[in-house]
Amino acid sequence: GEDVEQSLFLSVREGDSSVINCTYTDSSSTYLYWYKQEPGAGLQLLTYIFSNMDMKQDQRLTVLLNKKDKHLSLRIADTQTGDSAIYFCAERGVFNDYKLSFGAGTTVTVRA
Amino acid sequence: EAGVAQSPRYKIIEKRQSVAFWCNPISGHATLYWYQQILGQGPKLLIQFQNNGVVDDSQLPKDRFSAERLKGVDSTLKIQPAKLEDSAVYLCASSATGQSNQPQHFGDGTRLSIL
Repeated sequence: GEDVEQSLFLSVREGDSSVINCTYTDSSSTYLYWYKQEPGAGLQLLTYIFSNMDMKQDQRLTVLLNKKDKHLSLRIADTQTGDSAIYFCAERGVFNDYKLSFGAGTTVTVRA
Repeated sequence: EAGVAQSPRYKIIEKRQSVAFWCNPISGHATLYWYQQILGQGPKLLIQFQNNGVVDDSQLPKDRFSAERLKGVDSTLKIQPAKLEDSAVYLCASSATGQSNQPQHFGDGTRLSIL
């Protein structure tokens, strides 16, 4: 994951919005993904965005992509306790032969 | 649809022993992946299959790791002999095809502890 970087921790109050940020280095990235991992579980695909888009909204989730700055963010509206998990940013591009490159994950803790 | 199935969920072995993991992908998915996820890190690809052929095994430590997908459906990943640094979660994922517009769906993983 050295090509994808994320902040390690985020603490947010229940009901507030969460914003998880990710930066990547591969300028040829085609698709960028957000996965959620709960304790003891595998990775659940939350959403993904094609590189020619700058925004995608899916219910409480909003993905913003700034391709010029190679910056991806995930906003979770009205954060709930069930949103507590590790969130992984991942990208696929020509530079890495279209393999999924993951960040180290952001641990989101939702407090009451 | 049923998700990616993996077994066992947990495995504890001593170093230098052998271990095998099994994966059953989503029905109809041609592409299968094995990842290694070390604690505190994101998953790292070990091997990718397209049907029963290997597409990419460049990051598989071939002196001790092997994987097969003989009939193009289920797959097994083996470690022989295991080292302490192999302690990790081994995740299997599948996608409809290997194309970049096809998202990968993950199983719950096998958590391996080496004593």
